[in-house]
Amino acid sequence: GAGVSQSPRYKVAKRGQDVALRCDPISGHVSLFWYQQALGQGPEFLTYFQNEAQLDKSGLPSDRFFAERPEGSVSTLKIQRTQQEDSAVYLCASSLARSEQYFGPGTRLTVT
Amino acid sequence: LAKTTQPISMDSYEGQEVNITCSHNNIATNDYITWYQQFPSQGPRFIIQGYKTKVTNEVASLFIPADRKSSTLSLPRVSLSDTAVYYCLVGAVNTDKLIFGTGTRLQVFP
Repeated sequence: GAGVSQSPRYKVAKRGQDVALRCDPISGHVSLFWYQQALGQGPEFLTYFQNEAQLDKSGLPSDRFFAERPEGSVSTLKIQRTQQEDSAVYLCASSLARSEQYFGPGTRLTVT
Repeated sequence: LAKTTQPISMDSYEGQEVNITCSHNNIATNDYITWYQQFPSQGPRFIIQGYKTKVTNEVASLFIPADRKSSTLSLPRVSLSDTAVYYCLVGAVNTDKLIFGTGTRLQVFP
């Protein structure tokens, strides 16, 4: 009964570096979500996939953020040319179609 | 999605009942009310969801008055392990994206 897993759990990047964050959803879950959580704040929606299709990317803060889910399972959130304001916890969640979302533990990104 | 307002923080002692109220004055007819719990260094976890009146599960109860402009999450006999942030969300049932506010930070003392 594995839940949603994310890797790495912690990532330190120097400003300007590219990072890639991985999400392994619960097997069989067609929907996958990425959220960004700043310190002391609630999670904020970034993007949503249904299988391999990215149906909503309205929350991505800039064109430096890119997400993919090429085979409808594992997803990667990529941030290019990281900035200090990108420091946050990045949460991944998965669900069956239109049902309760199950969250992973998150990846804490620190940009120095 | 309807905006929600909830207290920033609450304190309680072990064994007490805790009630966290959420205001959502602009709730729409097809909106449901959902509560999530988040422990430090973990992702949020679904607790309970309701539309009107009262919903109860093994973790909590959710009370929703007739006008649905507010709701109350009730945690019976809290323990230290209930220390967490609790988020109230309002939106169409099983919406594709969740809109979180800042939540209520509950601290339970021994």
